[in-house]
Amino acid sequence: EVQLVESGGGLVKPGGSLRLSCAASGFTFSSYSMNWVRQAPGKGLEWVSSISSSSSYIYYADSVKGRFTISRDNAKNSLYLQMNSLRAEDTAVYYCARGADYGSGSYYVYWGQGTLVTVSS
Amino acid sequence: SYVLTQPPSVSVAPGKTARITCGGNNIGSKSVHWYQQKPGQAPVLVIYYDSDRPSGIPERFSGSNSGNTATLTISRVEAGDEADYYCQVWDSSSDLWVFGGGTKLTVL
Repeated sequence: EVQLVESGGGLVKPGGSLRLSCAASGFTFSSYSMNWVRQAPGKGLEWVSSISSSSSYIYYADSVKGRFTISRDNAKNSLYLQMNSLRAEDTAVYYCARGADYGSGSYYVYWGQGTLVTVSS
Repeated sequence: SYVLTQPPSVSVAPGKTARITCGGNNIGSKSVHWYQQKPGQAPVLVIYYDSDRPSGIPERFSGSNSGNTATLTISRVEAGDEADYYCQVWDSSSDLWVFGGGTKLTVL
């Protein structure tokens, strides 16, 4: 059974940093692209970042470019999102999602349950 | 940047057909994926590549895509279909994923 479990969310002050993790199991992690998607309270889905299976291709939404860094450790079956210079508008539930194949342009087959990030003073 | 436009809400009576649209400039040239999200839950893929259904998704869910509009069609709507639905495309010209704003489906 495919499982994606996010962790690392919490309350952080504006300008602060946080590192999210997504632990994957039930599939060959190194064969699939991975993604981060967020959802602000009461709002719609917003794509954040994607990384190909071998980390060769990495993409970011304009809203987080230069502040967030996506990475993965295929040996540990884990996906990460380093978030710096956090703003109030980054407050959201952050989901990790697995792509359908190795490329960053593949749709999202599986999603985790999300971790809440709150940016507030 | 590429924009996807969805109606904020669609209402339908049980047993009827719901159609949720997703508008975008020449969206017919792109592959559209659809997700269902129920309150407090993670999204679930219901249609990929315009009209393909993942295993476990009822045949009542179908999709089409042409011109400037993609459509998710839910036949014989049930109370359990009440959810938010999001369309998604990969904008290869910008290397960005784009989600529509979402449509809340209400079953009357």
